[in-house]
Amino acid sequence: GAVVSQHPSWVICKSGTSVKIECRSLDFQATTMFWYRQFPKQSLMLMATSNEGSKATYEQGVEKDKFLINHASLTLSTLTVTSAHPEDSSFYICSARVGMGYGYTFGSGTRLTVV
Amino acid sequence: AQSVTQLGSHVSVSEGALVLLRCNYSSSVPPYLFWYVQYPNQGLQLLLKYTSAATLVKGINGFEAEFKKSETSFHLTKPSAHMSDAAEYFCAVSGGGNAGNMLTFGGGTRLMVKP
Repeated sequence: GAVVSQHPSWVICKSGTSVKIECRSLDFQATTMFWYRQFPKQSLMLMATSNEGSKATYEQGVEKDKFLINHASLTLSTLTVTSAHPEDSSFYICSARVGMGYGYTFGSGTRLTVV
Repeated sequence: AQSVTQLGSHVSVSEGALVLLRCNYSSSVPPYLFWYVQYPNQGLQLLLKYTSAATLVKGINGFEAEFKKSETSFHLTKPSAHMSDAAEYFCAVSGGGNAGNMLTFGGGTRLMVKP
């Protein structure tokens, strides 16, 4: 089945540094990828939708300059948290739409802790 | 516009008992509906989905859900709970007719299974 590989699974970084999270579709081409943020014991909040070769569409309230999304190829999308602060600590999950139907597959998530 | 409401943020059942997790949706177009399970520090795994075919949908691990348009519901059930079912469950909706639509998630229900 369609698999999305997300790395790293966890990362600790110092305040003020940047962190890049990668999501790769292993056996299919992901024209559309979604990035979510999940706070402890809460639901997933959509941050942005990225389409290969074009600029990401950010949800209201999400700082596009802080959360840089690049979807340069059909198999790779990246989320870079720039100048990270402790309040950016969260669980980040990517998802890809599989084909043109309504199948969505999720990465395993990245636990980001900013100290 | 679309939204999902999961009644009950926490549900506790005894091992072997019936599992019922409630989900109600609203959608301005015929919806596609999903149930996902999330284990701690992991991504989401698809349990089942409704995409306008049979209203009773069978999924993995013995789960099933019934789409009831008149009640705008898509409740998840399992006849007999197992300890391994303890996890967070999310109901999600995606608007039909637009293959680019993202998923909108409910708030989640934590299922606890008592021995």
